[in-house]
Amino acid sequence: DQQVKQNSPSLSVQEGRISILNCDYTNSMFDYFLWYKKYPAEGPTFLISISSIKDKNEDGRFTVFLNKSAKHLSLHIVPSQPGDSAVYFCAAPSRFSGTYKYIFGTGTRLKVLA
Amino acid sequence: ETGVTQTPRHLVMGMTNKKSLKCEQHLGHNAMYWYKQSAKKPLELMFVYSLEERVENNSVPSRFSPECPNSSHLFLHLHTLQPEDSALYLCASSPDRAGANVLTFGAGSRLTVL
Repeated sequence: DQQVKQNSPSLSVQEGRISILNCDYTNSMFDYFLWYKKYPAEGPTFLISISSIKDKNEDGRFTVFLNKSAKHLSLHIVPSQPGDSAVYFCAAPSRFSGTYKYIFGTGTRLKVLA
Repeated sequence: ETGVTQTPRHLVMGMTNKKSLKCEQHLGHNAMYWYKQSAKKPLELMFVYSLEERVENNSVPSRFSPECPNSSHLFLHLHTLQPEDSALYLCASSPDRAGANVLTFGAGSRLTVL
């Protein structure tokens, strides 16, 4: 049962345009969401997060939107740059045996074309 | 050193070898994790330790054996692995508290089983 889903395995965007990466979740108990960026042969790096008490969080070129009724979140990158080319994962922590386990989506590979 | 450090970065081993992966975190976090990333698959949680106590993950074969001697160090002992175990093994840590709980990853250990 995939509780966090990223249905688009890849996305190509022209440099300077907006990139929109989508993520859907099924567990209504999730109250915090994170986006990670991963380059090949490296570990994922934290990008931006959002709490369920908000519907938007912005950090520079990156904005995450949360629609709780639709169980959907999206990451907007404006303007997109070639260095943004990477795999992006959304994730949610889930309470598990007294601690947290992080449920990850399958990732979306973003390619920003110069 | 800061963040989460993993060694070795690359490891090649035969199916009869015994080797270990090491992870060290310098963030004062209480929880540590092992994840596996195989090609074209989502990040798979293998083990979670909270305050040095192992939280069982029943889906991991016994040829993978974790060890957490203290809250800063985590090992993954490998024995009699199969070629399909070749993957990127990622260590991560988190503060293990409710709310803004960001998971911080190491750079990963790329394992090849011959």
